[in-house]
Amino acid sequence: SYELTQPPSVSVSPGQTASITCSGDKLGNKYACWYQQRPGQSPVLVIYQDTKRPSGIPERFSGSNSGNTATLTISETQGMDEADYYCQAWENSTVVFGGGTKLTVL
Amino acid sequence: QLQLQESGPGLVKPSETLSLTCTVSGGSIRTISYYWGWIRQPPGKGLEWIGIINYSGNIYHSPSLKSRVTISVDTSKNHFSLKLSSVTAADTAVYFCARQMHGYGGNYFDFWGRGTLVTVSS
Repeated sequence: SYELTQPPSVSVSPGQTASITCSGDKLGNKYACWYQQRPGQSPVLVIYQDTKRPSGIPERFSGSNSGNTATLTISETQGMDEADYYCQAWENSTVVFGGGTKLTVL
Repeated sequence: QLQLQESGPGLVKPSETLSLTCTVSGGSIRTISYYWGWIRQPPGKGLEWIGIINYSGNIYHSPSLKSRVTISVDTSKNHFSLKLSSVTAADTAVYFCARQMHGYGGNYFDFWGRGTLVTVSS
């Protein structure tokens, strides 16, 4: 079955840029999306179709997808960005989630 | 604004069937571009996809859960449902329902319910 691999954790200082990767076989040939999940809350879509931001998501959030890796980039990181982030793709008629990355802002 | 609300028992006994309903408000479930899905999250763990269904009853399932899962839709009530049979403690999780944009432009969940915790215990 298809797998998406994310680093378990990423740390960033406030105001700096955070990058979270998501790796999968030929992932660049599919669309990737990203969700933010704060503790005790539902996931929120922050990037879809590799690079697009839903209404209401700050421009600080951006995405890319090429080769085997999709990347979520958060610029000028703020404390409110501290959360779990999940990538997701559609492969062989199934939804596949990455294992999630805990972003710590310290 | 679209809203999704999960409902159902919060406690299910082992070997029994878990049943949840997701009621959609602020929009119609009879929309061609969308599927309606179930995702779960065991305590302290990541997201696990269960399955999706569209208004006409077309379904995609997680291969790992397919044998135990039944997903159905009732367009007259604007809701869809999940049944998971023969539950064990490993099925204890927060269960989310969500709307999935489905098509050539990608498949992603753009609206989520708040989730409901289901505990499997005797």
